[in-house]
Amino acid sequence: RKEVEQDPGPFNVPEGATVAFNCTYSNSASQSFFWYRQDCRKEPKLLMSVYSSGNEDGRFTAQLNRASQYISLLIRDSKLSDSATYLCVVNGPARQLTFGSGTQLTVLP
Amino acid sequence: GAVVSQHPSWVICKSGTSVKIECRSLDFQATTMFWYRQFPKQSLMLMATSNEGSKATYEQGVEKDKFLINHASLTLSTLTVTSAHPEDSSFYICSARGSAGGYNEQFFGPGTRLTVL
Repeated sequence: RKEVEQDPGPFNVPEGATVAFNCTYSNSASQSFFWYRQDCRKEPKLLMSVYSSGNEDGRFTAQLNRASQYISLLIRDSKLSDSATYLCVVNGPARQLTFGSGTQLTVLP
Repeated sequence: GAVVSQHPSWVICKSGTSVKIECRSLDFQATTMFWYRQFPKQSLMLMATSNEGSKATYEQGVEKDKFLINHASLTLSTLTVTSAHPEDSSFYICSARGSAGGYNEQFFGPGTRLTVL
């Protein structure tokens, strides 16, 4: 079983749509959680951290359920510029990042 | 925010040659640097972790004699792919953690695309 699992997609949605990505992780000792965004042929960039209380940054909302070992990302009012691969990332006890394989999103005009 | 640079950004080489990739933290001290590899349509896979002044710790399945890592200063780490072969063609990304950002925050370099002919 992979340490971090994501639905690879692709998700093709129209502009303005709301889209949700899910992620599960296997190591219950994981300490911190993130969503990264990776554009084609570029390095990943931190989108937002994920907290148990849930957190929001503009159109982006992230949720963490430690009991279920489940992380989600919700994007509202999708923009063309949101097209990218979204990586679920978990930081374990050894302070190493483990990346999911990513979910590809394409926002269509 | 903190900046990490990589050089070169892309390289094409013949099979059997060695390639050195540099990773620099430009405005902070990187006590720990990480090297990742990413094949097309796959996730980033951690290859090794290096702490300044210490030998790198390699992940299972990564040959330490083939992927030489040197982290001799707080701002520079190098990855040398020795005797590169076509199967080593990949996107190599470094990240750095240290005196910038949060306790666990890593800053990524822009990556180096290696193509071995």
